[in-house]
Amino acid sequence: NAGVTQTPKFQVLKTGQSMTLQCAQDMNHNSMYWYRQDPGMGLRLIYYSASEGTTDKGEVPNGYNVSRLNKREFSLRLESAAPSQTSVYFCASGRPQFRAHSSYEQYFGPGTRLTVT
Amino acid sequence: AQKITQTQPGMFVQEKEAVTLDCTYDTSDPSYGLFWYKQPSSGEMIFLIYQGSYDQQNATEGRYSLNFQKARKSANLVISASQLGDSAMYFCAMTATNAGGTSYGKLTFGQGTILTVHP
Repeated sequence: NAGVTQTPKFQVLKTGQSMTLQCAQDMNHNSMYWYRQDPGMGLRLIYYSASEGTTDKGEVPNGYNVSRLNKREFSLRLESAAPSQTSVYFCASGRPQFRAHSSYEQYFGPGTRLTVT
Repeated sequence: AQKITQTQPGMFVQEKEAVTLDCTYDTSDPSYGLFWYKQPSSGEMIFLIYQGSYDQQNATEGRYSLNFQKARKSANLVISASQLGDSAMYFCAMTATNAGGTSYGKLTFGQGTILTVHP
């Protein structure tokens, strides 16, 4: 059981290049998320997908696009990378929980460290 | 909109002692969930504990407990019997839930507290 996997682990891009970050989960979760973490800061939500076939913007969506390919996979694309997108990117998955049982968990992947020069 | 504030950039504790990490939040949502995550120097995010806003009792998970004071809008993490391996960055986070308590899991994070455990 791998949990949430992300590829690549590290990437260096030149300004204007494009790339896709891949994420997959094997926990049969409906919801998946992309966050970014800038140095010394908490994570900020870029996009999320509440279920297969749906995506929605988070707090910082500009410059990114996402695809929920199927229930397992949720990719993040940078069409034209900028230095401001240098960050660590985390993918996560989770499932809605009901009030009666407070055991909600959101599992994170290991992260992708992206540098844009 | 939601906001999480962690006012302690760094905390120090002696091994085997207890430590409290502060977290205050602001939200207009009638129901919500509060989380704590640990991020060691290796970078991964490790889920520690969750508290729903309608839960009557404070959440506990092993050595971790969440001191939830709804009126004060605080959700402090208490780590008992600190271990050297507890040295890490700790993040408080929250998510809105609907009236039935269902969460869509969109987390808002605080800026974190670096905890250092001394032997």
